[in-house]
Amino acid sequence: DTAVSQTPKYLVTQMGNDKSIKCEQNLGHDTMYWYKQDSKKFLKIMFSYNNKELIINETVPNRFSPKSPDKAHLNLHINSLELGDSAVYFCASTRGHYGYTFGSGTRLTVV
Amino acid sequence: GQQVMQIPQYQHVQEGEDFTTYCNSSTTLSNIQWYKQRPGGHPVFLIQLVKSGEVKKQKRLTFQFGEAKKNSSLHITATQTTDVGTYFCAGPNFGNEKLTFGTGTRLTIIP
Repeated sequence: DTAVSQTPKYLVTQMGNDKSIKCEQNLGHDTMYWYKQDSKKFLKIMFSYNNKELIINETVPNRFSPKSPDKAHLNLHINSLELGDSAVYFCASTRGHYGYTFGSGTRLTVV
Repeated sequence: GQQVMQIPQYQHVQEGEDFTTYCNSSTTLSNIQWYKQRPGGHPVFLIQLVKSGEVKKQKRLTFQFGEAKKNSSLHITATQTTDVGTYFCAGPNFGNEKLTFGTGTRLTIIP
């Protein structure tokens, strides 16, 4: 049983397209996150939701919009994709302030 | 904003040698967490330290949290090929939900 699952694992798309990445966790955690990892391996937080409420919204272009239909799901929609959006996007979840459980990542390539 | 730096950025060691990565935060942390990311994988939570000066061990891994709660270290004794990967420290500010990841140390092992 996968604790934090993301789909798709790979995503190759053209500039200007709109795409979504889905994330689901079955751990009963109350907080979920989206992190972006660039080619230099830097991990940067993008968004955080606690029980469906947005609590962290970093300086991210408006083209990125998270949605949390319930506390077990956190999706990421990206409009008008740009070359610079190419990266690995990780979903993560946690209960309280203890260790995060990460999904296996979505490698997004914009061509 | 909060910055968390790690040194070295890269470390190549002969199998059997020891390895240490150092983590420094620009602000005081409520706790420090360590993660390991294997090549092509996702970050996996290793441990959390909370108390000033705390030291914890996991087999060949020794984790330390500084007295001022602004720095930490991870020491691996007698490295093995399974230790290959990028090690990240991460910490939230006091009263801040956001977990900021360090810049990471990429460890490679020469057999």
